[in-house]
Amino acid sequence: SQTIHQWPATLVQPVGSPLSLECTVEGTSNPNLYWYRQAAGRGLQLLFYSIGIDQISSEVPQNLSASRPQDRQFILSSKKLLLSDSGFYLCAWTPQGASGYTFGSGTRLTVV
Amino acid sequence: ILNVEQSPQSLHVQEGDSTNFTCSFPSSNFYALHWYRWETAKSPEALFVMTLNGDEKKKGRISATLNTKEGYSYLYIKGSQPEDSATYLCASSFSGGYNKLIFGAGTRLAVHP
Repeated sequence: SQTIHQWPATLVQPVGSPLSLECTVEGTSNPNLYWYRQAAGRGLQLLFYSIGIDQISSEVPQNLSASRPQDRQFILSSKKLLLSDSGFYLCAWTPQGASGYTFGSGTRLTVV
Repeated sequence: ILNVEQSPQSLHVQEGDSTNFTCSFPSSNFYALHWYRWETAKSPEALFVMTLNGDEKKKGRISATLNTKEGYSYLYIKGSQPEDSATYLCASSFSGGYNKLIFGAGTRLAVHP
């Protein structure tokens, strides 16, 4: 069966520090992968999506980047965090051509 | 910019009440409409996916309808229970969009015993 792992669950980082959040999917190949963020009091905003290795699309200009070094690994990074990067980050996947998302357990990031 | 709107933002009901939420979305290039249930500290859980105008889906006490021509969907909960308390998310995908989902801000439901 397919599973999705996301870590860490919580993170407190100072402003200006780097960030790396990781998401891996098991039990499938060539998934579509997504990073979403929920800022305080707002809905889920799509940050990045990927339809294949090294194929990343950014949805909004921001202080973050994403990479997909392996088929089932999706990494969200920042070189220097801003206070506005605080939020709840969710990774999700779908099979190619299918609809429903399966979400990871999320990362609560607080930038202080 | 594609926008998905949900109302109300929050709702407080008594146990046993029936309730409904609204989701509105752009009808052009529409592909699918999703409803998710999201409890605090957990992953969003898929409830329904609907694609055709007039679609109706049901899971236990929860049901949903879809109108793609006017761009709205309703989620109904019959006889609300405290365990129904959660945020209900609506999301829409569009043709040629690589299955990207555009989410609404959610409706936060609190069911009081």
